[in-house]
Amino acid sequence: GNSVTQMEGPVTLSEEAFLTINCTYTATGYPSLFWYVQYPGEGLQLLLKATKADDKGSNKGFEATYRKETTSFHLEKGSVQVSDSAVYFCALNQETSGSRLTFGEGTQLTVNP
Amino acid sequence: NAGVTQTPKFRVLKTGQSMTLLCAQDMNHEYMYWYRQDPGMGLRLIHYSVGEGTTAKGEVPDGYNVSRLKKQNFLLGLESAAPSQTSVYFCASSYWGTPRDTQYFGPGTRLTVL
Repeated sequence: GNSVTQMEGPVTLSEEAFLTINCTYTATGYPSLFWYVQYPGEGLQLLLKATKADDKGSNKGFEATYRKETTSFHLEKGSVQVSDSAVYFCALNQETSGSRLTFGEGTQLTVNP
Repeated sequence: NAGVTQTPKFRVLKTGQSMTLLCAQDMNHEYMYWYRQDPGMGLRLIHYSVGEGTTAKGEVPDGYNVSRLKKQNFLLGLESAAPSQTSVYFCASSYWGTPRDTQYFGPGTRLTVL
């Protein structure tokens, strides 16, 4: 079946540091890939997505590239801010999953001033 | 445009009690979903609906029932609550339900079963 594995957290960084959160997936065929963010006390918001191999999703300074050869979708940001502190979820969706998003376990990011 | 809303935001139940969680969306989306979020496990799909009057089982459906009588509403019911159902419940909706489609999430309901 489908699965998503994220790097273990929590991750703590200083403001303006470089961020990478690793995400790898297992799926048959060609899934769509997503990064969602959950700020404290709120629901999930779509951060970015990519729907085919080699696509790059980007939003708010975050980027992720769909790498089919390594089955990865790593999230990166060049300079994090305190306001980026949140939980980040990698997820996939494909035709055989019954419209279901399959989520990774989430990575807690804390950015200190 | 409120997006996806959920009521209530918090609830505490005793084992064996019943309750209904309400999800409403004003985006005219066809697809609606109920997920639960547990520590260290991400979100898992409970049930979903592909349109008014339809429901289908997700990954963890046992102990839950759902109804979609109106296109904009999706109800999640617990007939006899158990401590294992202590979780945060999220509703989501999407227009097409295809793998490329974005799912929009509500703010969540935190449920504790004692």
